[in-house]
Amino acid sequence: SYELTQPPSVSVSPGQTARITCSGDALPKQYAYWYQQKPGQAPVLVIYKDSERPSGIPERFSGSSSGTTVTLTISGVQAEDEADYYCQSADSSGTSYVVFGGGTKLTVL
Amino acid sequence: EVQLVQSGAEVKKPGESLKISCKGSGYSFTSYWIGWVRQMPGKGLEWMGIIYPGDSDTRYSPSFQGQVTISADKSISTAYLQWSSLKASDTAMYYCVRYDPSGWFDPWGQGTLVTVSS
Repeated sequence: SYELTQPPSVSVSPGQTARITCSGDALPKQYAYWYQQKPGQAPVLVIYKDSERPSGIPERFSGSSSGTTVTLTISGVQAEDEADYYCQSADSSGTSYVVFGGGTKLTVL
Repeated sequence: EVQLVQSGAEVKKPGESLKISCKGSGYSFTSYWIGWVRQMPGKGLEWMGIIYPGDSDTRYSPSFQGQVTISADKSISTAYLQWSSLKASDTAMYYCVRYDPSGWFDPWGQGTLVTVSS
């Protein structure tokens, strides 16, 4: 079955830049999406179509794509950005099956 | 405002049946897919399946095919997730979410916690 691979954890100091990667063979053909989940809360969409930011999401959140890897970048990380981040995409077999990455815990030191 | 409101937490015994709900508002319920996502305690997100309330077209993740049933009643803008015989391993938070045709999930419901314990 198709998989998206994320690092289990990323740590940064406040004000620094955090980069969270997501790798998958179908990513050159399928868009990726990113969700932020804070403890006890439902996930929230922070990036869609690889690099688009929904209204209400701070400009410090950005996304990029290169080959089989997509990256969520948080510039000028704030304490409130500490959360789990999940990438999501679909396989390219035509079944439209949705897949989530395993999630990355972002720790703000 | 687009909103999905889920039914409340449930505590059930193994072998019991259960149906949880998700009511959409603020948009045309029949024009967007609704998905269900499982999150087991301390774990990541798992896609279970989606339904198009307009015609009840349903797609399941291979991992959940035959384990659950997804349905919808468009007359009351409500989607459902049901089990015929719960197992302890079904203990999890379940989220409903609107699925945009372009591929993303937004917004998410508040989640329904299902606890299965003898």
